[in-house]
Amino acid sequence: EAAVTQSPRSKVAVTGGKVTLSCHQTNNHDYMYWYRQDTGHGLRLIHYSYVADSTEKGDIPDGYKASRPSQENFSLILELASLSQTAVYFCASTSRISNERLFFGHGTKLSVL
Amino acid sequence: QQQVRQSSQSLTVWEGETAILNCSYENSAFDYFPWYQQFPGEGPALLIAIRSVSDKKEDGRFTIFFNKREKNLSLHIKDSQPGDSATYFCAASAGTQVVGQLTFGRGTRLQVYA
Repeated sequence: EAAVTQSPRSKVAVTGGKVTLSCHQTNNHDYMYWYRQDTGHGLRLIHYSYVADSTEKGDIPDGYKASRPSQENFSLILELASLSQTAVYFCASTSRISNERLFFGHGTKLSVL
Repeated sequence: QQQVRQSSQSLTVWEGETAILNCSYENSAFDYFPWYQQFPGEGPALLIAIRSVSDKKEDGRFTIFFNKREKNLSLHIKDSQPGDSATYFCAASAGTQVVGQLTFGRGTRLQVYA
């Protein structure tokens, strides 16, 4: 089973502060993604990457940056955290040759106060 | 405007019954429809998926029925078990989109009582 590990599991941040969420996968997957989930809503794609050192904007990229320094690691960066960014963030990965199955991490619960 | 809509926020069934979760979509370009299952405190996990060239996909107790003309689909969970209690997300993507770029519905929370 594919393993996607996120850290931290939860975080409290102050408005205007910088937040970095980390994701690590050990399955040699090409694609990695950051989704956000708001209470009572589905997941929405923030950023994704299909190769190291390259990231792409998803459906809701505003206020977020992403970094993929290696195939295994993918970070989501909130330079100036805002209240509206309080949510659960999920990292996912998949293989280029898979049947499009996404493997999700356990999520990071972010509270911005 | 929701592109993928799940008609029920929650659904309750008794153990042994068939749970039916409904989903509809707006974008005619969508051609891949996965259902993800999520337990509290965990990330979603792929349960079953269907492509628009098929009208039915079965995997054990789980079946997807797909109606392309009506732009809707449903997930049937036969012989529901308390362990099936979870939130189920209908999702969709188009072949023109990047692999993994899914549009999710808001989810249906299923409760199965023993």
